Amino acid sequence: AQSVAQPEDQVNVAEGNPLTVKCTYSVSGNPYLFWYVQYPNRGLQFLLKYITGDNLVKGSYGFEAEFNKSQTSFHLKKPSALVSDSALYFCAVRDIGRSQGNLIFGKGTKLSVKP
Amino acid sequence: EAGVVQSPRYKIIEKKQPVAFWCNPISGHNTLYWYRQNLGQGPELLIRYENEEAVDDSQLPKDRFSAERLKGVDSTLKIQPAELGDSAVYLCASSPAGQVYREQYFGPGTRLTVT
Repeated sequence: AQSVAQPEDQVNVAEGNPLTVKCTYSVSGNPYLFWYVQYPNRGLQFLLKYITGDNLVKGSYGFEAEFNKSQTSFHLKKPSALVSDSALYFCAVRDIGRSQGNLIFGKGTKLSVKP
Repeated sequence: EAGVVQSPRYKIIEKKQPVAFWCNPISGHNTLYWYRQNLGQGPELLIRYENEEAVDDSQLPKDRFSAERLKGVDSTLKIQPAELGDSAVYLCASSPAGQVYREQYFGPGTRLTVT
């Protein structure tokens, strides 16, 4: 079965420092991976996705993610964190078979950026 | 472009009462999803529609949950009767049809509290 794991419940970063939010995946076949962000009392917003091609994917708000097939990872990164980046971040993988098109989400990582 | 619209935003009911949630997807999006997000967890799919057809309802608890999308546009999710464990945020999302790699666009969600 397809799955993603986010090993950290919370990540704390100082403003201006680089940030990394970790995600590992387990899939049958080619992985199609996504990152979403959720601000308080709001729905999820799409940040970026990996379908194929370059292992470094650039997305919204200065975020990027690195796909690593050998480590089965898809970590979210940003060179310089902002206080406004504080939110919940979800990694997701596309399901397969009859459920193709559905997304399977990790449990989320809370990012806290302090001034 | 208007986003995914959901109502109500918040609902508090007593257990055993019925409740309904409404969703209007982005114009032109044929695929509609209902997710449930428990506290501290990622969203979990309940049902996916392609136009009027429920193509994946394998995770929908059919003894008490029902959904409809009669004209292939807006959708209603119902719970009858509600149980304490149904307290969660119910998210609606949409995406263009036939493009399984496209990102999903989420509404703000309905926060349900069952007392």
